[in-house]
Order: sequence, then C-alpha cells, then structure tokens
Amino acid sequence: DAGVTQSPTHLIKTRGQHVTLRCSPISGHKSVSWYQQVLGQGPQFIFQYYEKEERGRGNFPDRFSARQFPNYSSELNVNALLLGDSALYLCASSSPSGANVLTFGAGSRLTVL
Amino acid sequence: DQQVKQNSPSLSVREGRISILNCDYTNSMFDYFLWYKKYPAEGPTFLISISSIKDKNEDGRFTVFLNKSAKHLSLHIVPSQPGDSAVYFCAAANQAGTALIFGKGTTLSVSS
Repeated sequence: DAGVTQSPTHLIKTRGQHVTLRCSPISGHKSVSWYQQVLGQGPQFIFQYYEKEERGRGNFPDRFSARQFPNYSSELNVNALLLGDSALYLCASSSPSGANVLTFGAGSRLTVL
Repeated sequence: DQQVKQNSPSLSVREGRISILNCDYTNSMFDYFLWYKKYPAEGPTFLISISSIKDKNEDGRFTVFLNKSAKHLSLHIVPSQPGDSAVYFCAAANQAGTALIFGKGTTLSVSS
C-alpha cells in the first residue's frame, strides 16, 4: 500500500520565481497538511485541508497558498520565492479516526538561489 | 516563542542502554503529544503518542511519560539499538486539532 507521495523530490529555483509542490495522500485519507522544515528546526505547520476546505493555516505570508482536489491530492504553491524559502516541504495525511497522527511523505527539497 | 522545546540537540548512548529524550511545553491547553523519528532523506515517522489523561504509554521498547504539572514529557528507549540513531521530534497537537507543533529535535546516536 503506497504511503504519502510527494513530487518533485528536489528542485532549484531562483528568487522571484514560483513553485508548485504536489502531494498524494494515503488511500482513504481525506486530510492533507503541509509543513516546512528549515535546517536545524522542527517542521512548521503551513496548511491543513480536509474535504477540499482549508481547516487551518500557520503563520506564513500570503505568498503561500494551497488547494486540495476531489481525489484528496493537494498542491502547495509559493510565489515570489525568497532565499529563506529554501527548506524541506513535507506533506502529511491523516485518517478521520486518527486525526492527530500524521503520516508524512519524504518531502520536497526546495533550494532558492 | 517556542511552545514545544527540546533543549538537548544531541544524545549519545551505547547499544543496549537506555535512551531518554526530553521535551518541555508551555501551553497547558495541549492535550495530545506525539514523538516522531526522522532518518535523513525520509519524512518523519510516527513512533508513539500520549493523551493528557494518561501519564504513561508503552509500545515495545518505547515508553512515553507525561508529567502535566511540570509540562514535561520524555521518551524512553530500552534497549537502545544502532538502528535507533535518528532525529527525534516531540510534537503537541494544537487545540483545534488542525496542526502539530514540533520541537527542534534531538539527534540520537547509538553506538555498538
């Protein structure tokens, strides 16, 4: 059974560009969350989506946006990239019965030059 | 302002001994706590959790203890194995149940 899958695994962008990261949750999981992990820090919450609706948003600027599709997959978009956006972006899904227990993907490593 | 703190960046333990990883939190409204393990190039993997109505939860070699009055929890690994070498994150579920708040992590090294 496939876990949480994310793409791309690595990407390099330059300042000012836009990036789209993709995530497919575990089959049957309707909730998807996005986290940013900067080197030396723990993951920091960006968004949570459930049934295509935003349920929670962390302390990130409006340059960050996300959406969830009818098949429960999700995209994270970041506009006007800054050097400080360089990080590992983690997607996680959870089942309704275990909402607090997140299953994470391997992440997308974004480098902004 | 960090709500979940892991004050020890690293811990080294010999194989077979006990590993104790500590975590402190500041928000008394947190009622669910989790530990995750992370290997390089992989996402965090759920290890064990505890609800605030309990003070101990055990799963095989892993035990989590919660001291609500001290706002402190710890993860005990007994016996430690070289494969346990990883970064361990403590996390608390926010009150809305929409997010986990993570500490900075503790890197555990278990030598044989």
